This record gives sequence, structure tokens and C-alpha cells, in this order.
Amino acid sequence: KNEVEQSPQNLTAQEGEFITINCSYSVGISALHWLQQHPGGGIVSLFMLSSGKKKHGRLIATINIQEKHSSLHITASHPRDSAVYICAVRRGGGTSYGKLTFGQGTILTVHP
Amino acid sequence: NAGVMQNPRHLVRRRGQEARLRCSPMKGHSHVYWYRQLPEEGLKFMVYLQKENIIDESGMPKERFSAEFPKEGPSILRIQQVVRGDSAAYFCASSLMSGINSYEQYFGPGTRLTVT
Repeated sequence: KNEVEQSPQNLTAQEGEFITINCSYSVGISALHWLQQHPGGGIVSLFMLSSGKKKHGRLIATINIQEKHSSLHITASHPRDSAVYICAVRRGGGTSYGKLTFGQGTILTVHP
Repeated sequence: NAGVMQNPRHLVRRRGQEARLRCSPMKGHSHVYWYRQLPEEGLKFMVYLQKENIIDESGMPKERFSAEFPKEGPSILRIQQVVRGDSAAYFCASSLMSGINSYEQYFGPGTRLTVT
């Protein structure tokens, strides 16, 4: 079992819909990252969370440390949101600090 | 403030040749991470470096791969005698600091290596 699991793997939505992508992890962490990758493109960091909730524009990220779970929400989705969304965790403590362990990614397609 | 820069963006090598991938971190950042994304697979950690030091190379293949981050100049990921299985996207990320406190990692655009 992967240390970081995302669901769903693929997600198709109509423009304007509310979208949720989930991430569960099985190790102790110091932070969780949500990343966005467009096809053939680079990686953009959307959020870094260690507790609670963060909001940026139409994007909201939440984390529940006790349940080892995080969600990424997109409100009023738009075709330009179509991308791969990747959850990554940074372990807590030890010499493994810094490096990220990644989920497999969620492929989001938003149709006009 | 320029972001993380990687070059080349695309690199084609024949089997047996050497590949050198460069990463210039954001200004003021002294921590560099290399990650690899194989076709149809997720991102995997390769190596974490600070200036002149390799901190964690637990994700590096045992042979043919090496990395450095000299006092001056970019970080280099070097792959000797490339094979087709090395074809992948290689991403570099940098951060201001590391340790127990978590700091944001900023990713470069990646180098897409194709081995023919």
C-alpha cells in the first residue's frame, strides 16, 4: 500500500461544478503539499498545510491531522482547472526531513 | 525574483551517452531536491542537497547516477551511460531552509530526458 493515496484517480466535471479531491496518508508528517501539473508542464505548488484550512481564490485545502486526511476543493470549476493534482507529504522528523512522498495524482478534466 | 530554473528543458541522448541536467535554485535558496517522474508513474524523490553536501540520496539508483551542488553554480544531476529506462521528466525543487520546520518547496519546469 502506498504511503500516500489519492482519490479519485480520474475526475470529470462540468464547468461551474464544485470539485473535491481527497488524500490519505499513513505516516507521521510535518506538512502536506497540494501541487498542480498541466500536461507536459511544470509543477506549481498550490498549498502547504500543517493544520486547519487554507484558501486561495477558488481553491480551498483542508487537513485533519488526527485522521491523516486532506482535501482539495475547487469552487466554480473552469476548463483551465483541467490538470493533474498531486498530494505530497513531508515526513516529520529524522533525516528524512525535506523530501516529499507523492500520491499518484488525480487527473481532472473540466468540460465547458 | 526568478523562479527555479532548469536546463535544458528537453534532452535527447543515445544509449550509452551521458546526460547532465542543471538546476539553478531560487535566489537565496540553499536547499535543492531532485525528483523523477517516469512515464505513467508518480513523482519519486531522488536526492536532497545543500551547498557542497549531499544530505539524503536514498532515492538515487545505486549506479550511473550522481548529483552535486557546488559552492558556486547550479546543482547538477549526472546520468552516465544512459539507458532507455532513464527516459523521464526530472524536476528540481528548492527551498529556503529545511529541518523540523517545514518550508515551501518551489519547483522548476523540469527536464524531459529521452533516451533513444
